[in-house]
Amino acid sequence: DSGVTQTPKHLITATGQRVTLRCSPRSGDLSVYWYQQSLDQGLQFLIQYYNGEERAKGNILERFSAQQFPDLHSELNLSSLELGDSALYFCASSPAHSGSEQFFGPGTRLTVL
Amino acid sequence: GQQLNQSPQSMFIQEGEDVSMNCTSSSIFNTWLWYKQEPGEGPVLLIALYKAGELTSNGRLTAQFGITRKDSFLNISASIPSDVGIYFCAGRAGTASKLTFGTGTRLQVTL
Repeated sequence: DSGVTQTPKHLITATGQRVTLRCSPRSGDLSVYWYQQSLDQGLQFLIQYYNGEERAKGNILERFSAQQFPDLHSELNLSSLELGDSALYFCASSPAHSGSEQFFGPGTRLTVL
Repeated sequence: GQQLNQSPQSMFIQEGEDVSMNCTSSSIFNTWLWYKQEPGEGPVLLIALYKAGELTSNGRLTAQFGITRKDSFLNISASIPSDVGIYFCAGRAGTASKLTFGTGTRLQVTL
């Protein structure tokens, strides 16, 4: 158990819908990272938040957004969902804003029908 | 998006055998990490490497940070059935915080 929690574990929805994925980092970690894992693209970095502020952005679509709250939990919002958005979404956390190891949560499997 | 090249793509070995896999990049990294992922789970950190040439062990696992800083290697000695999973390398460049992951090596261990 990495100490990172994610909910829900599974999510099934329809195209065009909007969903919210939630992540709670390890106790004491200030950074939260979101990654997408798909069969054709592998694990891809989406976005990082550090202590409530956006720190780095990767291959995140404009339809996706994230935020980190004062209690340090984070939410990833996915809107106007398409079939191709079906993937595993992982959250990871680390103590610092860069240079340290990242610990992953169990992931949310999103299926868009 | 960018992915690092890992080889082999998959391995089928017998229990007790040693395993070697590697990861290569076209660019330099300052940190190499090795993760293991099992079905339905998130990646679990195995070993972290921070200096070129560094050799680090974690039980039966040994990883090395390549001298060129463009590659890394993972060895598993005396494999056991619970070693089954997908092994990913991940690199971090400069002061960036994001990790770039490899394509993964799927390991199967037969009795």
